[in-house]
Amino acid sequence: DAGVIQSPRHEVTEMGQEVTLRCKPISGHNSLFWYRQTMMRGLELLIYFNNNVPIDDSGMPEDRFSAKMPNASFSTLKIQPSEPRDSAVYFCASSHEGYPYEQYFGPGTRLTVT
Amino acid sequence: AQSVAQPEDQVNVAEGNPLTVKCTYSVSGNPYLFWYVQYPNRGLQFLLKYITGDNLVKGSYGFEAEFNKSQTSFHLKKPSALVSDSALYFCAVRDGGDSNYQLIWGAGTKLIIKP
Repeated sequence: DAGVIQSPRHEVTEMGQEVTLRCKPISGHNSLFWYRQTMMRGLELLIYFNNNVPIDDSGMPEDRFSAKMPNASFSTLKIQPSEPRDSAVYFCASSHEGYPYEQYFGPGTRLTVT
Repeated sequence: AQSVAQPEDQVNVAEGNPLTVKCTYSVSGNPYLFWYVQYPNRGLQFLLKYITGDNLVKGSYGFEAEFNKSQTSFHLKKPSALVSDSALYFCAVRDGGDSNYQLIWGAGTKLIIKP
């Protein structure tokens, strides 16, 4: 398996622009997680899906952030409008609902908002 | 509430010496415990886990961890450190009896192995 695939790997955009990050989970995994990592705040869970349904979005920082999972093989995280404080590395991870439990991470998208 | 603590921001070890990265946790039910490693500009990689059974678990790259229920700890260890082990290490936990599948993450410990 190719592992979790994320695109783009790097994104540079101007404040106010819309940003869309994409994730393809590992085939057969039915849980998907979006994380954000910064030096100041560390690793934060933004939202997670189980069987394509959002289960917990309490980590989404504000209404500018939205996430969708239209099918088992694709998810998006959208920021609109983007702000400089959104600059971070965004990771997608997937896992089975049950055993073996561990999450597998994608390579991340490094977002820079100027 | 569930929580994970990694009390050391950074651990420095000489190459060839044993290393320990500490992790303590708090969950109300049975803990499922995990260690991950992150190399610069990479995603997190799964190292090992404790779900049930033997308290000493072995994982990738020669790492092992010991589950200690009385001390609520899950310290990561390696008998002989390599320079290539230098990275950021994360401990994570979830309550095995909880239908919520998210992991609770520690803040991470930077491991520096000096030649």
